Amino acid sequence: DADVTQTPRNRITKTGKRIMLECSQTKGHDRMYWYRQDPGLGLRLIYYSFDVKDINKGEISDGYSVSRQAQAKFSLSLESAIPNQTALYFCATSHRGDTEAFFGQGTRLTVV
Amino acid sequence: AQKITQTQPGMFVQEKEAVTLDCTYDTSDPSYGLFWYKQPSSGEMIFLIYQGSYDQQNATEGRYSLNFQKARKSANLVISASQLGDSAMYFCAMREGVYDYKLSFGAGTTVTVRA
Repeated sequence: DADVTQTPRNRITKTGKRIMLECSQTKGHDRMYWYRQDPGLGLRLIYYSFDVKDINKGEISDGYSVSRQAQAKFSLSLESAIPNQTALYFCATSHRGDTEAFFGQGTRLTVV
Repeated sequence: AQKITQTQPGMFVQEKEAVTLDCTYDTSDPSYGLFWYKQPSSGEMIFLIYQGSYDQQNATEGRYSLNFQKARKSANLVISASQLGDSAMYFCAMREGVYDYKLSFGAGTTVTVRA
């Protein structure tokens, strides 16, 4: 089983719908992140959390919200999806002192 | 300002040859880390190699090596003896600070290995 699991893996939704992307991890890491990947732009940080009570906006947080339900769970919500939120979304985790961040398998979201 | 610049959108390399992927970075923080990730067509992000700003030696991991030129702010990835399975998108990324793992990514370079 993957250490960082994202659900769903693929999702097609309609404009204006609310959608939640979920991330869970078994690595025991305190830090979790949501990134978005668009062609030609690489990955950009949406939100990050250093512990359950800590939520921070990243580079492109507009239109998104997050919830850190537990140390192991970090959810990303699109309150009212729009077509330009069509992208590949990644959750990642890290631990203070480690040299590496670990990524989930990605969620491919299409907003029609 | 762009923190990570990858100027090569795509590259072709012959099997068994070496390939160098360019990456330049911009930061004023003396403590930072540089990463390379591989993204095959299946989409997952695979960590390849890491270089800390205070590391004296260039990082190596198997067929991957990082050519770290601090004064020039470059962190090029060298893949030796290319294999067909190396065909993928490659991303350079940077974290600033010692414990901060907010990564800034470049736009990526697509590598295609030809038989």
